[in-house]
Amino acid sequence: NAGVTQTPKFQVLKTGQSMTLQCAQDMNHEYMSWYRQDPGMGLRLIHYSVGAGITDQGEVPNGYNVSRSTTEDFPLRLLSAAPSQTSVYFCASSLIGVGNTIYFGEGSWLTVV
Amino acid sequence: GQQLNQSPQSMFIQEGEDVSMNCTSSSIFNTWLWYKQDPGEGPVLLIALYKAGELTSNGRLTAQFGITRKDSFLNISASIPSDVGIYFCAGQLLGQAGTALIFGKGTTLSVSS
Repeated sequence: NAGVTQTPKFQVLKTGQSMTLQCAQDMNHEYMSWYRQDPGMGLRLIHYSVGAGITDQGEVPNGYNVSRSTTEDFPLRLLSAAPSQTSVYFCASSLIGVGNTIYFGEGSWLTVV
Repeated sequence: GQQLNQSPQSMFIQEGEDVSMNCTSSSIFNTWLWYKQDPGEGPVLLIALYKAGELTSNGRLTAQFGITRKDSFLNISASIPSDVGIYFCAGQLLGQAGTALIFGKGTTLSVSS
């Protein structure tokens, strides 16, 4: 997991609150993405970015916003948290192109009550 | 959207036994990847496969990229307690921007000594 840093590691939110999960990488990777992991569901892609200023939706984007103002950072925003967003969130990054290794952060455990 | 069917969902084995798990898809992938996730950690890449028919080993692990490009298997020989964890397959599609992966739902491996 070297090079991809996620914060916070644990967070409890009340329904309706907003928060931002931070992700930073120092490997000059063009590609960054956010996944959520739920029991028995594997990892599902929320949003991804192929470079600064470029973002796109993944498989489960509803309820989440992202921005990519720099190559290094890719924050994930929950504008109005819902209990269904209780999950473990992973940020990942890589160089562009097939065959490049994807590096994962250590995860952020989010509970919405 | 694309889906990966990973089986079995869970396995309970004795130390020293061999393990086999597989993934199938209705879509053709250009890359198959196998990850392992330990509790409280992000996924870590075990083996990457880039060519149909490719058979690759990494220590006690062996994985193959199916000829049809729609399936892959992972074998673990002579299992040890530290093999415990969740194993994920992931497929990558040709031409997709960046390296967004589609993940299987995981195989949870338990090893008793």
